[in-house]
Amino acid sequence: AQKVTQAQTEISVVEKEDVTLDCVYETRDTTYYLFWYKQPPSGELVFLIRRNSFDEQNEISGRYSWNFQKSTSSFNFTITASQVVDSAVYFCAFTAAGNKLTFGGGTRVLVKP
Amino acid sequence: EAGVAQSPRYKIIEKRQSVAFWCNPISGHATLYWYQQILGQGPKLLIQFQNNGVVDDSQLPKDRFSAERLKGVDSTLKIQPAKLEDSAVYLCASSYRDRVQGRETQYFGPGTRLLVL
Repeated sequence: AQKVTQAQTEISVVEKEDVTLDCVYETRDTTYYLFWYKQPPSGELVFLIRRNSFDEQNEISGRYSWNFQKSTSSFNFTITASQVVDSAVYFCAFTAAGNKLTFGGGTRVLVKP
Repeated sequence: EAGVAQSPRYKIIEKRQSVAFWCNPISGHATLYWYQQILGQGPKLLIQFQNNGVVDDSQLPKDRFSAERLKGVDSTLKIQPAKLEDSAVYLCASSYRDRVQGRETQYFGPGTRLLVL
């Protein structure tokens, strides 16, 4: 069975600091997909990024960057120069066959001005 | 492009009452999902539809929960009778498969917050 672990329950930073969110997954599947979603206080889950198991190229999108390391089963997410609007709960998620998403427990990020 | 629509946004009921939630997916999305998110946890899949057929309902408490997607578009999720532990946010998501790139990403609605007293 698949499992996604986000060990950090809450991270508090001051604006402009960098924040790195950890995600570790467990699976026996060779083909799978990893995701990060953001859940602001409004409650809607906002899709941020998708990665497949064959693509270990790291990605940068604006202030967001992702580090996928298959050898350690990790898919970490960094927010550079954090802003107050980044305050939210961030979820790492996994899917293999069937598209059922398995979510981690989430990491609450609080960015203080 | 309109996102996933859900209603109502909030609902308060007493235990043993019934409640129904509605979801309208993004136009053209064949797959629809219902998730339950208990406070402080990640969402958990309740049921997955492909068009109007059920793909996965292994985690749906079928003694009290039911869902349908009769015309393969919008869907309803019902709880009857509700229990205190059903208090949660119920999220609907939809997705489609990109035939060129083989990608499928789920897009979520705003959710329905249910409080059972």
